[in-house]
Amino acid sequence: DAGVTQSPTHLIKTRGQQVTLRCSPKSGHDTVSWYQQALGQGPQFIFQYYEEEERQRGNFPDRFSGHQFPNYSSELNVNALLLGDSALYLCASRRGQGSAEAFFGQGTRLTVV
Amino acid sequence: AQTVTQSQPEMSVQEAETVTLSCTYDTSESDYYLFWYKQPPSRQMILVIRQEAYKQQNATENRFSVNFQKAAKSFSLKISDSQLGDAAMYFCAYRREETSGSRLTFGEGTQLTVNP
Repeated sequence: DAGVTQSPTHLIKTRGQQVTLRCSPKSGHDTVSWYQQALGQGPQFIFQYYEEEERQRGNFPDRFSGHQFPNYSSELNVNALLLGDSALYLCASRRGQGSAEAFFGQGTRLTVV
Repeated sequence: AQTVTQSQPEMSVQEAETVTLSCTYDTSESDYYLFWYKQPPSRQMILVIRQEAYKQQNATENRFSVNFQKAAKSFSLKISDSQLGDAAMYFCAYRREETSGSRLTFGEGTQLTVNP
């Protein structure tokens, strides 16, 4: 079982550019959530996808958007990058709703210069 | 909105000794889950232990146990017989299930150092 996999592991972008991060959930998982973790802080919830729809959204601007594909994998897109978008982006997957535990990937380290 | 507070930015413990990490949270709900996650330098968030709010019994997982005080909204983590591999950032997190889905709300973390 490969667990939750994220790509790329590191990324450097310039202010104003757009970026796409990818997440493949753990086998058997159909719900994917994205979190932003700034240096020295706890992760902040961005949004959650289930059945290819955005189910919940945190306090992030519309520059942050996502998508879930029929195979349950997901993408996080960020437009018009700001220096403050530099962070570790974590993907978490779980099986359905209810009490299931979430499993995290190793994250994508995004640096905006 | 729910909030989670970890008042200890850093803690240290001697190998083989016991350490307790503190966490408080704020919620008006009665049914929710609480978690402790460990994040080593590899960055991957690893679940250490979970507690369902409706359960009065404190959760335990080998050397890890919690002290869950629902009325006080307190959820501390005790690590017994500390090992060098326990050194990491520890995050307390809250989750409530809603019909639309769920989200984890994390505290700011406690950096644990284990001294040989």
